[in-house]
Amino acid sequence: DAGITQSPRHKVTETGTPVTLRCHQTENHRYMYWYRQDPGHGLRLIHYSYGVKDTDKGEVSDGYSVSRSKTEDFLLTLESATSSQTSVYFCAISAQSMSSYNEQFFGPGTRLTVL
Amino acid sequence: GENVEQHPSTLSVQEGDSAVIKCTYSDSASNYFPWYKQELGKRPQLIIDIRSNVGEKKDQRIAVTLNKTAKHFSLHITETQPEDSAVYFCAASSSNYQLIWGAGTKLIIKP
Repeated sequence: DAGITQSPRHKVTETGTPVTLRCHQTENHRYMYWYRQDPGHGLRLIHYSYGVKDTDKGEVSDGYSVSRSKTEDFLLTLESATSSQTSVYFCAISAQSMSSYNEQFFGPGTRLTVL
Repeated sequence: GENVEQHPSTLSVQEGDSAVIKCTYSDSASNYFPWYKQELGKRPQLIIDIRSNVGEKKDQRIAVTLNKTAKHFSLHITETQPEDSAVYFCAASSSNYQLIWGAGTKLIIKP
């Protein structure tokens, strides 16, 4: 697997608490993505980054924020966790350029449960 | 907006038979179409992809076909085996460095 790790791999938290998930890559890829996966919904994009300090929203960004201060790290923060944010979160990376293609490689996932 | 439709949502085939999963996309500017396989509890993994300048691509028992005019592409798996059981996702590239994902197909291989 491409050099992508996610931490933590499992987390249980309570409603209203902030949570930060970390994605770390060793591939020096420019693009990084956060997805959530829920039964019946496939993969839904939360936020993505196209460079250090450059991020943009995906289709389900409400309640989430991201930061990317280094090429290798992309952080996803749930500002005040809710039960609807219980999900499996995947990070993905891509080396695409303006004229190339978007091959994405996924991290192992983080299973988050909000009680 | 841009979307990708994937059918069927569940496909059950006898071991040794072929399986076909179909996707249609809406953005005529899409130029890259990957397929991912996700086994239970695992991450999605890229199994095959096709660029818009190619009509068909094969890799052992799997193949992908693309019809740009009709804006649809398909995954073909021949001589299915138990280890092919998984959820398969199609996707299409969009103009802003994202992939637009299909909803997934659960493939069940019956012994």
